[in-house]
Amino acid sequence: GAGVSQTPSNKVTEKGKYVELRCDPISGHTALYWYRQSLGQGPEFLIYFQGTGAADDSGLPNDRFFAVRPEGSVSTLKIQRTERGDSAVYLCASSLSWGAGGANVLTFGAGSRLTVL
Amino acid sequence: AQKVTQAQTEISVVEKEDVTLDCVYETRDTTYYLFWYKQPPSGELVFLIRRNSFDEQNEISGRYSWNFQKSTSSFNFTITASQVVDSAVYFCALSEETSGSRLTFGEGTQLTVNP
Repeated sequence: GAGVSQTPSNKVTEKGKYVELRCDPISGHTALYWYRQSLGQGPEFLIYFQGTGAADDSGLPNDRFFAVRPEGSVSTLKIQRTERGDSAVYLCASSLSWGAGGANVLTFGAGSRLTVL
Repeated sequence: AQKVTQAQTEISVVEKEDVTLDCVYETRDTTYYLFWYKQPPSGELVFLIRRNSFDEQNEISGRYSWNFQKSTSSFNFTITASQVVDSAVYFCALSEETSGSRLTFGEGTQLTVNP
């Protein structure tokens, strides 16, 4: 597609449930990133992929969070045993490559707003 | 560790006023990149500009201009003759050569332009 697509746009769940958030990057972009944005804050890095592999997952807050990108395109962020503190907007971004010494321009999706009751 | 500070949480101006958004950064790398993104109410972050640490030339793009000063670790953004459509949250961000394309964002500045 023309831009980064994220689904669902809104997700309301109950504490303790499992959630999956999907990201469809720009066609041809090999690098994919997940960020989390809490209300009134800047986005915080979670993980990024180069192709199918996670190049850096140091931003994942704990082992309840996991992300996959099995075919090097679509990615799914998975959250187990959700907690109220997980409520945030989860942003996905993609770029042509992941290297270039930090020069890559990221194109962001509109985000998935997760609310944990 | 890298850090970006946007001290102005909210700014409110009247249309046609000029406004400057401040950004101060911290990094130990000698090679790094600075970015500004705009986040309108729709939520999608929109890329505005990227500067590398070796290029301190100021840049102008239409009503937008950026002032990069390594001596003060600042990368400020000025909107000239502001318009209502400029209302959004603006984020300054930093990436270091050694951290790939991992961006560190500031807290953002909410700009409201009133008619």
